[in-house]
Amino acid sequence: AQSVAQPEDQVNVAEGNPLTVKCTYSVSGNPYLFWYVQYPNRGLQFLLKYITGDNLVKGSYGFEAEFNKSQTSFHLKKPSALVSDSALYFCAGFYGNNRLAFGKGNQVVVIP
Amino acid sequence: GAGVSQTPSNKVTEKGKYVELRCDPISGHTALYWYRQSLGQGPEFLIYFQGTGAADDSGLPNDRFFAVRPEGSVSTLKIQRTERGDSAVYLCASSFTGEETQYFGPGTRLLVL
Repeated sequence: AQSVAQPEDQVNVAEGNPLTVKCTYSVSGNPYLFWYVQYPNRGLQFLLKYITGDNLVKGSYGFEAEFNKSQTSFHLKKPSALVSDSALYFCAGFYGNNRLAFGKGNQVVVIP
Repeated sequence: GAGVSQTPSNKVTEKGKYVELRCDPISGHTALYWYRQSLGQGPEFLIYFQGTGAADDSGLPNDRFFAVRPEGSVSTLKIQRTERGDSAVYLCASSFTGEETQYFGPGTRLLVL
């Protein structure tokens, strides 16, 4: 099945510490991979994407993600978390079938 | 520039009623998508338009759901004989082409009583 998985439900991190949100993807085809962030009562905001090329992708608000083909992972990272980074984060894959396949989402809580 | 807009932001209706949800995509985007997001879940695909035509409606759950995009811009998602299980946030997204980044609107929160 063409899908992505976010194995954790909630990620708690202290402000100023590194933040990592995990995502793995199914290897059917060569999907484009995306990260989106959702703040309360708002739509999904695009953070970054991987299509091909450099495995380290840099995106908005200081976020980056590392594509790892051998581990079929696309983890989202930020070197120093801010309280304002507290939100719901979604990983998604585009498998060329006209749709994004989303993970279930991870709630990130940054503790002051 | 203006992003994707959706109206209404909230809709409360009674079981059995008909509702219409509107999406205004980013100007110039030919591809338009509808997704449904239930509480605690990621968005699930409903339908994809390329221009005026529904290129892929395989995600629509049943024939009570229908969507149109008559002029290749604004789209309307129509739900007939609403059921309590239809309660969710309905998200619209658009992209320049069918394989580019999808940009999402704020969603319409539908509550069926």
